[in-house]
Amino acid sequence: DVKVTQSSRYLVKRTGEKVFLECVQDMDHENMFWYRQDPGLGLRLIYFSYDVKMKEKGDIPEGYSVSREKKERFSLILESASTNQTSMYLCASGTDYGYTFGSGTRLTVV
Amino acid sequence: GQNIDQPTEMTATEGAIVQINCTYQTSGFNGLFWYQQHAGEAPTFLSYNVLDGLEEKGRFSSFLSRSKGYSYLLLKELQMKDSASYLCAVRDRETDSWGKFQFGAGTQVVVTP
Repeated sequence: DVKVTQSSRYLVKRTGEKVFLECVQDMDHENMFWYRQDPGLGLRLIYFSYDVKMKEKGDIPEGYSVSREKKERFSLILESASTNQTSMYLCASGTDYGYTFGSGTRLTVV
Repeated sequence: GQNIDQPTEMTATEGAIVQINCTYQTSGFNGLFWYQQHAGEAPTFLSYNVLDGLEEKGRFSSFLSRSKGYSYLLLKELQMKDSASYLCAVRDRETDSWGKFQFGAGTQVVVTP
């Protein structure tokens, strides 16, 4: 089974802090994705990557950046965390035929 | 882009059947997926439809009509563990090379004893 591992399950950060969310997959997938999930809004795509060092903006990239230095690792960066970035963050890895999601990181910005 | 609509919540009794509808609008449809998500957990893959018709997988079935922009997920013989959110996701041909999907907001299914 594909395994997608997110480094933290819960995080609490202060406004203005730089925050790194890490995601690692073990199935050699080229495509990796970062979503945030909020009640009533569903999953919204922040950024995705289809190859090492390649990245594309999703639907809500503002306030975020990403890094893909190695195929198995895709990092989401909040340059200066704000309270409206409090959310569940989900990383996914996959192909045209489906994704595998990580267990999620619940980030609270205070 | 896509617009994906599904009901917010549905309630059904243990042992019953529930049908979750999903309608979508897309410029270039190229596949529809259903995921299950239990509270506090990651979504898990349930089904994939790219051609019209019914795909059956145990107690769960998924139907697609491309001409109507419509799909449903059918859950039979409901069990308490089926209480979860069910997400409809659509893949668009414009972004097919990157496997990018658009998700609906999810339907919360509540199974009562």
